[in-house]
Amino acid sequence: GEDVEQSLFLSVREGDSSVINCTYTDSSSTYLYWYKQEPGAGLQLLTYIFSNMDMKQDQRLTVLLNKKDKHLSLRIADTQTGDSAIYFCAESMAAGNKLTFGGGTRVLVKP
Amino acid sequence: SAVISQKPSRDICQRGTSLTIQCQVDSQVTMMFWYRQQPGQSLTLIATANQGSEATYESGFVIDKFPISRPNLTFSTLTVSNMSPEDSSIYLCSATGRAVYEQYFGPGTRLTVT
Repeated sequence: GEDVEQSLFLSVREGDSSVINCTYTDSSSTYLYWYKQEPGAGLQLLTYIFSNMDMKQDQRLTVLLNKKDKHLSLRIADTQTGDSAIYFCAESMAAGNKLTFGGGTRVLVKP
Repeated sequence: SAVISQKPSRDICQRGTSLTIQCQVDSQVTMMFWYRQQPGQSLTLIATANQGSEATYESGFVIDKFPISRPNLTFSTLTVSNMSPEDSSIYLCSATGRAVYEQYFGPGTRLTVT
């Protein structure tokens, strides 16, 4: 079955880069996503990557996908205090299909 | 992107009662989903809301407990029936965007059952 794993917690200094890691088990995963959840809020779609891509960059965000190892990472450059949140990775088998989420990584940005 | 609103944003309910949560999308969308996020946990899919037909439920979720309606391409409701304290969670509606592989979420409904 599908399984998505993330580390629980990441602490980073303001201005440094953050790297959040995610592993998944289903090699049929076609779409991989990163969402951000701030306290008391819903989920914000940050970015996504197709399984036929290795990398995607969007302003301060860089997504790397290693399909062989089923490993996904999100790098946030120049991390700001506003980046403190829980970050979820998720995967989907096909466009418009349900998402399977990882447990979330809580990122704390220290001044 | 799709802009999604939910009502109510939060509620405190008595055990044994039912609550209906509404989800409204600002444009016609293909797919709508309902997820549950238990305290401190990740998101779990309850069901896919199908327009004009019965919802498709995930393992562990049943229609009698979580009836869902989707009368058109922009609106859906989720009812949490005969509530118990274990139903205390955030319930989130999601919908696909113009690009079907993009999935957006509403702000959630924070439910507390006493």
